[in-house]
Amino acid sequence: GNSVTQMEGPVTLSEEAFLTINCTYTATGYPSLFWYVQYPGEGLQLLLKATKADDKGSNKGFEATYRKETTSFHLEKGSVQVSDSAVYFCALRSGGSYIPTFGRGTSLIVHP
Amino acid sequence: DAGVTQSPTHLIKTRGQQVTLRCSPKSGHDTVSWYQQALGQGPQFIFQYYEEEERQRGNFPDRFSGHQFPNYSSELNVNALLLGDSALYLCASSGGGQGSEAFFGQGTRLTVV
Repeated sequence: GNSVTQMEGPVTLSEEAFLTINCTYTATGYPSLFWYVQYPGEGLQLLLKATKADDKGSNKGFEATYRKETTSFHLEKGSVQVSDSAVYFCALRSGGSYIPTFGRGTSLIVHP
Repeated sequence: DAGVTQSPTHLIKTRGQQVTLRCSPKSGHDTVSWYQQALGQGPQFIFQYYEEEERQRGNFPDRFSGHQFPNYSSELNVNALLLGDSALYLCASSGGGQGSEAFFGQGTRLTVV
């Protein structure tokens, strides 16, 4: 079946530091890959997505590249801000399903 | 555009009781999905409704049931509540196509005591 594995959190960084949150997946077929963000007290928001190998999704300074050879979709940002503090979820949706499978989430805490 | 709205935002129920949660999808969306998010976990898919029918279901017992109305709004019902049902319940709506983006509501925090 499909599964998503994310690095354990929390990830604690100082403002302007470089961020990497690792995500690897197992899936049948050729999945679409997503990163969602959940701010405190809110629902999930789609941050970025990639639908085929070597695609790079990007939004708000965040990037992730679909790596089929390593089955990975790591999230990166060059310079984090305090306002980026949230929980980040990696997810996939494989060709035969309408429903995304989510990882457990990684909490990011950014200090001034 | 109001986006996806869920009600209530919080509620507390006693073991064995029944609860109904409500969701209004984003304008123009016809598909509604429900998720359970336990503390510190990712969302777990419960079921999805499209054209007033349950289109897909996750690994949840029959105590979890739902409904979609002609205006595309939806309800999630949980019977015989257990302590383990305490979670954030998220509703997501989409345009129905497999590639369409899902928009999430803020969720309903259910506490079972």
